[in-house]
Amino acid sequence: GQQLNQSPQSMFIQEGEDVSMNCTSSSIFNTWLWYKQDPGEGPVLLIALYKAGELTSNGRLTAQFGITRKDSFLNISASIPSDVGIYFCAGVAGAQKLVFGQGTRLTINP
Amino acid sequence: DGGITQSPKYLFRKEGQNVTLSCEQNLNHDAMYWYRQDPGQGLRLIYYSQIVNDFQKGDIAEGYSVSREKKESFPLTVTSAQKNPTAFYLCASSIDGRRHYGYTFGSGTRLTVV
Repeated sequence: GQQLNQSPQSMFIQEGEDVSMNCTSSSIFNTWLWYKQDPGEGPVLLIALYKAGELTSNGRLTAQFGITRKDSFLNISASIPSDVGIYFCAGVAGAQKLVFGQGTRLTINP
Repeated sequence: DGGITQSPKYLFRKEGQNVTLSCEQNLNHDAMYWYRQDPGQGLRLIYYSQIVNDFQKGDIAEGYSVSREKKESFPLTVTSAQKNPTAFYLCASSIDGRRHYGYTFGSGTRLTVV
């Protein structure tokens, strides 16, 4: 089946640093989505991308839909303590069902 | 406020017992999904339903059962046949249209077998 390889699996950074994570696949996706999950809660949608090459921002977050349609990245600028959590990428192919990456766990040292 | 509600938040079950997790949405979404999340792991799809009275197995359906008698509700039963049921269970819903706006997730149910 389709799989997404998300990296890194975990990150330990200092407050104020920028963060970058990405997802790659051997399959083509029509839509890329980025979610954040706080501890003990369900994931919340951060950014949705619908066109190859699209670059979208949401506050300090910026995500891009790769030109090959097989990858996407998420950047967080000037990290703050509330950015802590698990970030998931997700892709949609033709079947309307999301395929999720394994997640990137972000830890921030104040 | 529209949303998706999972209950209970925490659930304890004795080995050999079936237990049902509730999921209700008032978003008028067509599709609903159940995921399992183990510590440090991603999301694995158990079952999904794209329309009332129809549902499909996901990647790890063994030991689970679902029903979709109403558009708003998609309960998940964890049966005694599930060998390792302790996990965090997430329910989600989506509008089943041409453009994918992503899933809306509930806040999860943590199931512990004691």
